[in-house]
Amino acid sequence: GNSVTQMEGPVTLSEEAFLTINCTYTATGYPSLFWYVQYPGEGLQLLLKATKADDKGSNKGFEATYRKETTSFHLEKGSVQVSDSAVYFCALDRGSTLGRLYFGRGTQLTVWP
Amino acid sequence: GAVVSQHPSWVICKSGTSVKIECRSLDFQATTMFWYRQFPKQSLMLMATSNEGSKATYEQGVEKDKFLINHASLTLSTLTVTSAHPEDSSFYICSASPASYEQYFGPGTRLTVT
Repeated sequence: GNSVTQMEGPVTLSEEAFLTINCTYTATGYPSLFWYVQYPGEGLQLLLKATKADDKGSNKGFEATYRKETTSFHLEKGSVQVSDSAVYFCALDRGSTLGRLYFGRGTQLTVWP
Repeated sequence: GAVVSQHPSWVICKSGTSVKIECRSLDFQATTMFWYRQFPKQSLMLMATSNEGSKATYEQGVEKDKFLINHASLTLSTLTVTSAHPEDSSFYICSASPASYEQYFGPGTRLTVT
């Protein structure tokens, strides 16, 4: 079946620290992979995506590389800011049906000044 | 752009009553809308997919008679939880998609059934 496993939080970091949030997946076919971010009181926003193996998605200093050999899509940022505090969701789709997203449980990130 | 709103943001109802949750795309027309359910510290689970003017497609295990979805226009979808019970208490999230591939998510509605 299709599923996403991401590291449990909460993750607490100091400003300018390096961030990694692990995400691994199980999927049939050739899924696309996503990271969504949810700021307090707001809806999920697409942060970045990758549609095929070895693709790297990037946005706002965040990066994630689609690794088919390790079935992973880890989120990284070299220097986090207080404004990055949010919940981060890893997700995949089956690639054939619009909207059929499978989400991880979400990881709460808190960045202290 | 691409803003999706939900109303109400939080609702408390008594067991046995029905409650309606609205999802609106504010600045685009949504060909397709989706309803998700999220339990505490759990992932979002897709409940159903709806296209404007058509019956919703429910995921396996979701009771269509309990969770009524109406996609009456290209900017509005509603989810009605009928005869609500405490086990229906959850966080309900909608998303909307224009003709392109991406989904835009609402902020969610917290339902508490007492």
